Amino acid sequence: DQQVKQNSPSLSVQEGRISILNCDYTNSMFDYFLWYKKYPAEGPTFLISISSIKDKNEDGRFTVFLNKSAKHLSLHIVPSQPGDSAVYFCAASARRNQGGKLIFGQGTELSVKP
Amino acid sequence: DAMVIQNPRYQVTQFGKPVTLSCSQTLNHNVMYWYQQKSSQAPKLLFHYYDKDFNNEADTPDNFQSRRPNTSFCFLDIRSPGLGDAAMYLCATSRDPGGTYEQYFGPGTRLTVT
Repeated sequence: DQQVKQNSPSLSVQEGRISILNCDYTNSMFDYFLWYKKYPAEGPTFLISISSIKDKNEDGRFTVFLNKSAKHLSLHIVPSQPGDSAVYFCAASARRNQGGKLIFGQGTELSVKP
Repeated sequence: DAMVIQNPRYQVTQFGKPVTLSCSQTLNHNVMYWYQQKSSQAPKLLFHYYDKDFNNEADTPDNFQSRRPNTSFCFLDIRSPGLGDAAMYLCATSRDPGGTYEQYFGPGTRLTVT
């Protein structure tokens, strides 16, 4: 029972273009969503988050969009840079009734080519 | 720099031989988590400590135990490792378990079982 899914294991984008990473979830109780970035030989690092009361959150080149009716969120990176090449994990939590436990997706490996 | 440290980074153990993985933090966070991540899969929460309170996930095998002797340190003990326990083990911390604050991850310990 995979509550958070990232259906694309990999994505390749040209430098300067937009990267769009997608994430779907099944649990309607999720009320907080996060994206983490992971470089090889390092732990995941927090990138950006969004509460379910919002549909968009922006931080510099990174924007997360949430579509609650579709149970879908996406991370947009504009413009993409070679240093953005990493594995991106989507995570969700149901803060009110699951104590904030994070459920992760499988990750999408982004490759930004110069 | 405040951080989450995991030792060792690579651990090889024999089938059935007990092994302990270590995590320490300088963030003074109340919550410490242990995740298991197998190749190309999502990180899976094993358990967490909120201060001294231990919270086990329902599907975590009894083979996995944890200790938190003080705020800074947390250990993962695998009593009788099987081949299926080979994975990356990630330690994370957060200020509270309510999901409001992001989790900070260590670099992980890659466990090999021979």
